[in-house]
Amino acid sequence: AQSVTQLGSHVSVSEGALVLLRCNYSSSVPPYLFWYVQYPNQGLQLLLKYTTGATLVKGINGFEAEFKKSETSFHLTKPSAHMSDAAEYFCAVSGARRALTFGSGTRLQVQP
Amino acid sequence: DTAVSQTPKYLVTQMGNDKSIKCEQNLGHDTMYWYKQDSKKFLKIMFSYNNKELIINETVPNRFSPKSPDKAHLNLHINSLELGDSAVYFCASSQVPPAEQYFGPGTRLTVT
Repeated sequence: AQSVTQLGSHVSVSEGALVLLRCNYSSSVPPYLFWYVQYPNQGLQLLLKYTTGATLVKGINGFEAEFKKSETSFHLTKPSAHMSDAAEYFCAVSGARRALTFGSGTRLQVQP
Repeated sequence: DTAVSQTPKYLVTQMGNDKSIKCEQNLGHDTMYWYKQDSKKFLKIMFSYNNKELIINETVPNRFSPKSPDKAHLNLHINSLELGDSAVYFCASSQVPPAEQYFGPGTRLTVT
């Protein structure tokens, strides 16, 4: 079985501040982990992914995430938030199942 | 060129009707999926096809029937629509799982 928990359904930061979105996963096999972003009324866009190898992965728009097996975490960070980062963010795991199991999402608000 | 496209983007219909949503991908992927996103933004897999063969069929009412005429198309037909079917339906595609998935723009289904 696999599952994803995203801590915090809403996160609010000021423009220029650090963004930290938390994701913990459960998987019976070595996981593949993903972060997707969804802008209003749009589909999901892949931000970054972890498969194997380097545990710190960089994605688009300045985002990065670190895979920590001991903590079963895959938190998403960005050093400096921009107004355009306001969106819904989803962490997902693909393990024994062939489809993605998503977390419940975190809405990021960026205050001017 | 749009990688994963869905039609229609919006679908408003009455209870009891039958409707279809079409999905096409031009990425040359072997695997396609249907996900349902509810009003709380929660995403859940419904079906997955690999080379026209059904490989995932979640606990979905049998009123929902996917059809894959070829590996570039995966359509979703829904019979006897109910109020609870109102949601956003996303099509996605990928190379052989657990590769990253590419999502369509979604179809917002409203059942009245």
